[in-house]
Amino acid sequence: SQQGEEDPQALSIQEGENATMNCSYKTSINNLQWYRQNSGRGLVHLILIRSNEREKHSGRLRVTLDTSKKSSSLLITASRAADTASYFCATPGRAGSYQLTFGKGTKLSVIP
Amino acid sequence: EAGVVQSPRYKIIEKKQPVAFWCNPISGHNTLYWYLQNLGQGPELLIRYENEEAVDDSQLPKDRFSAERLKGVDSTLKIQPAELGDSAVYLCASSLEQAGTSGANEQFFGPGTRLTVL
Repeated sequence: SQQGEEDPQALSIQEGENATMNCSYKTSINNLQWYRQNSGRGLVHLILIRSNEREKHSGRLRVTLDTSKKSSSLLITASRAADTASYFCATPGRAGSYQLTFGKGTKLSVIP
Repeated sequence: EAGVVQSPRYKIIEKKQPVAFWCNPISGHNTLYWYLQNLGQGPELLIRYENEEAVDDSQLPKDRFSAERLKGVDSTLKIQPAELGDSAVYLCASSLEQAGTSGANEQFFGPGTRLTVL
């Protein structure tokens, strides 16, 4: 079963706009990761946020984590056509586990 | 530094035929994963290796799937016989997991093998 669930399933925006994707999960976690997958490629790690962190930045990416609501969001600012991809959140299968459980992903399309 | 290497990239076979996928992880990574990804879905774990030991294979359909990681480096995933429903992308990933960490470090993925069973 999949622990994390992304929302929306698909998102289409104009280049330069911001894109926000959300992830909800079911059980307590000690960290949450976001990955990107370009069409026909493997997944690429974007950012890891630990349970004691509320917000984390990496370049144009901003990730938030709200453990009380069991949710996380990924914000991409000033989007580019190259950001077109599917974005997945991933959570440990169980506390302290090295196994990751992925959601179904958000398919982002950035229109030039 | 070379990334995770997988071969072949694409494979088309007829049902009931055997098929094998190969993965070479990033040098020094002790943990290797095989995932199955169906169209429009996220990856689902099939098996995880710590060095040469399979530590989580609960999602591997053992009647037709098998995997090995001899010498704790590269790995092979086999399906015999393949069924129509096995058509998917098979992803390999690796990571460096260290005792005492809080678990689930960054995983590095290969490009995957896209399997089509006719």
